[in-house]
Amino acid sequence: QPVLTQSSSVSASLGSSVKLTCTLSSGHSYHMIAWHQQQPGKAPRYLMNLESSGRYSKGSGVPDRFSGSSSGADRYLTISNLQSEDEADYYCETWDSHSYVFGRGTKVTVL
Amino acid sequence: EVKLLESGGGLVQPGGSLRLSCVASGFNFANDFMSWVRQAPGKGLEWVSVISGSVRDTYEADSVKGRFTISRDISMNTLYLQMNSLRAEDTAVYYCTRRYSSGWYVENWGQGTLVTVSS
Repeated sequence: QPVLTQSSSVSASLGSSVKLTCTLSSGHSYHMIAWHQQQPGKAPRYLMNLESSGRYSKGSGVPDRFSGSSSGADRYLTISNLQSEDEADYYCETWDSHSYVFGRGTKVTVL
Repeated sequence: EVKLLESGGGLVQPGGSLRLSCVASGFNFANDFMSWVRQAPGKGLEWVSVISGSVRDTYEADSVKGRFTISRDISMNTLYLQMNSLRAEDTAVYYCTRRYSSGWYVENWGQGTLVTVSS
């Protein structure tokens, strides 16, 4: 069963960039993950899936300023030109044999 | 457009039962994996249970195994979660979700329904 590790919070200024990290546990560095965004008081929203190669595919309507990349066991979500509506919790998700796990989430604060 | 609309949440006493429903539209409900994901107040996301498409295999998290049962009615395009022997720690918003391909990641989320277990 994989484990996903995320930092708890990050702050960045309006218009800047922020890079979130989701780290897969040992033995699972090849896993695909998905990133989800949860704005305050709302249901989560699927952002993208991200392969170990760094290839990613975004969901419908996800702005161009969201991108993904990978390095070893780390999966990244980069938000460029940070907007006020990007202030949210961001969760990564992976799976193994019909068992699913989420990271604890990273809270992004826009200054 | 994919739509998932949950209902059935509410206040229930410890040890009680509740059945959640999720009406799906905008995709081929019969073929897709569906699951329930929950979120306790102020906490992160936790997978609860998943059901496959045509074969209808089911899987549950250890925390709910033996107490919760997922099912689907293809004719009604509806997903269910039967919750028995409810505990205080089951208090959460429950999200109906559609999974991509053969049960990979969540691609669509419902708006959620709140279940509160309290005396």
